[in-house]
Amino acid sequence: GENVEQHPSTLSVQEGDSAVIKCTYSDSASNYFPWYKQELGKGPQLIIDIRSNVGEKKDQRIAVTLNKTAKHFSLHITETQPEDSAVYFCAASKRTSGTYKYIFGTGTRLKVLA
Amino acid sequence: GAGVSQSPSNKVTEKGKDVELRCDPISGHTALYWYRQRLGQGLEFLIYFQGNSAPDKSGLPSDRFSAERTGESVSTLTIQRTQQEDSAVYLCASSLVLLAGYNEQFFGPGTRLTVL
Repeated sequence: GENVEQHPSTLSVQEGDSAVIKCTYSDSASNYFPWYKQELGKGPQLIIDIRSNVGEKKDQRIAVTLNKTAKHFSLHITETQPEDSAVYFCAASKRTSGTYKYIFGTGTRLKVLA
Repeated sequence: GAGVSQSPSNKVTEKGKDVELRCDPISGHTALYWYRQRLGQGLEFLIYFQGNSAPDKSGLPSDRFSAERTGESVSTLTIQRTQQEDSAVYLCASSLVLLAGYNEQFFGPGTRLTVL
């Protein structure tokens, strides 16, 4: 079936360093790839997304890259700060019979060490 | 404006009891999703509502799970005869439905269900 693999499951970086989280999807029809940040006790919140007709998107310290051929997409956080510590989820989405189905990765727990 | 709200925030129940979880989506959002998130795991799709269309129930794990939504407003997720494996955070999300398919989901804070 359709799935999204996400690595690593945990990631610790020193404050100011970069963090990279990678996802691989199986359904080549997926055309929308959002990234969510989930802080403790809260619901996930969208931080950046990319569409299948774009290879890279950047928003201040965060960027996402997409390789459609390899079915890979990655989240890059530069100059990490303690407040970046959270669980990050990738997702792949497509429209199927009127439903916009999202398949989520298993999450990456990012710890930024001060 | 107000975001997606869910109630209760926490629910502790005994095995075998029924529970009802509530989601209030963002006003005007025609799509509503329920997800289950087990401890340390990703989000597992349960059910999707879109306007007056028949819901997509393909993610419901068993017939003990059901959900309803009246029009484009409140939704309730009901779990009958709860089991310990039902313990999880249940998340609700709503979104607009855009023709291009790129629709941001807005999540509620979730209901943490503990089945003893």
